[in-house]
Amino acid sequence: QKEVEQDPGPLSVPEGAIVSLNCTYSNSAFQYFMWYRQYSRKGPELLMYTYSSGNKEDGRFTAQVDKSSKYISLFIRDSQPSDSATYLCAMTPTDSWGKLQFGAGTQVVVTP
Amino acid sequence: NAGVMQNPRHLVRRRGQEARLRCSPMKGHSHVYWYRQLPEEGLKFMVYLQKENIIDESGMPKERFSAEFPKEGPSILRIQQVVRGDSAAYFCASSPAAGARNSPLHFGNGTRLTVT
Repeated sequence: QKEVEQDPGPLSVPEGAIVSLNCTYSNSAFQYFMWYRQYSRKGPELLMYTYSSGNKEDGRFTAQVDKSSKYISLFIRDSQPSDSATYLCAMTPTDSWGKLQFGAGTQVVVTP
Repeated sequence: NAGVMQNPRHLVRRRGQEARLRCSPMKGHSHVYWYRQLPEEGLKFMVYLQKENIIDESGMPKERFSAEFPKEGPSILRIQQVVRGDSAAYFCASSPAAGARNSPLHFGNGTRLTVT
């Protein structure tokens, strides 16, 4: 079993809809949780970063962490065609900073 | 991806040749990390370096792979005697400090290695 599970998609939504992404994990030591966006042939771009449990909002993006369920989510409101990309969740324990465990990524397609 | 520079962007090598991938971290960053992304898979940690030191190489294959981050110049990931299974995208990331809650990783655009 992988430490971090993420549905590969593709997830297709119409423009303006809410995109809902999630990851589950098995290692209870994970404390830092990140979401990266990766366009084709590009490197991952950091979107959201949270420490421990709770919610964090930044513009159209909301990240949620539920450590009791080992479940993290990313919501994208008012989705745009430019949001079409692969979204990667990543996480790490406090003492292994930089040694991130990534999900396989979910491909999102926002259709006009 | 602003600031982390990787070159070359694309590299083609025949089986048995050596591949050298270079990474210049963001200005002011002294911590460098290498990751590998195989087709249809997520990124996998390979190695973590600071200037002149390898901190964690637990993700590096035991043979043919090496990494360095000299006092001057970029970090280098070297793959000797490449095989087809080495074909992948190799990403470098940097951060200003280790273990700091406000210094998440920033990635470059990667080097895509193709072994023919």
